[in-house]
Amino acid sequence: ILNVEQSPQSLHVQEGDSTNFTCSFPSSNFYALHWYRWETAKSPEALFVMTLNGDEKKKGRISATLNTKEGYSYLYIKGSQPEDSATYLCALPTSGSARQLTFGSGTQLTVLP
Amino acid sequence: EPEVTQTPSHQVTQMGQEVILHCVPISNHLYFYWYRQILGQKVEFLVSFYNNEISEKSEIFDDQFSVERPDGSNFTLKIRSTKLEDSAMYFCASRVLFTGELFFGEGSRLTVL
Repeated sequence: ILNVEQSPQSLHVQEGDSTNFTCSFPSSNFYALHWYRWETAKSPEALFVMTLNGDEKKKGRISATLNTKEGYSYLYIKGSQPEDSATYLCALPTSGSARQLTFGSGTQLTVLP
Repeated sequence: EPEVTQTPSHQVTQMGQEVILHCVPISNHLYFYWYRQILGQKVEFLVSFYNNEISEKSEIFDDQFSVERPDGSNFTLKIRSTKLEDSAMYFCASRVLFTGELFFGEGSRLTVL
């Protein structure tokens, strides 16, 4: 069973603050790592799919890094805005032909105006 | 922008009743999935579907569950005899390649009384 851990479970920050959270996973048999943003009453939306050790991806004020050797990924949000409030999910493919994803429990971010 | 659509958004049913959840994946996608999230728990994989057949299923996906893609567009999840513990948000997802990001619907909330 693939164990994907995310921390912290929840986070409150002030508008304008930068923040980051962590996804930890077993470093053996790594294939890829997905980050999703899930706003309340909406569908989870893909942010990044990362495959290479040392990879860094960026989308606007959000960026992510990947360390497959030590088994973690960081998601950073620079200058948080209220619209960034969401649950951020990390997921990794398990073995199998259709690459089902195993999800972490998510980090619930609340950005206070 | 193409999107995955799910209906109904919320269904309330009595224990023992059959429920069918409907999904229309993005038209050029090849891989289809059902995931669910029981309140307060992780998003968990149920089943994947490719080339008109189930490619993987989890231990949750027992004989009470079935999936169909009857007409090349709809992708349905049927629960034959619902149990209280089936109460959850059910998400349909699809993707073009089995290595790519998942595109999720907004979910169908199932409440079993």
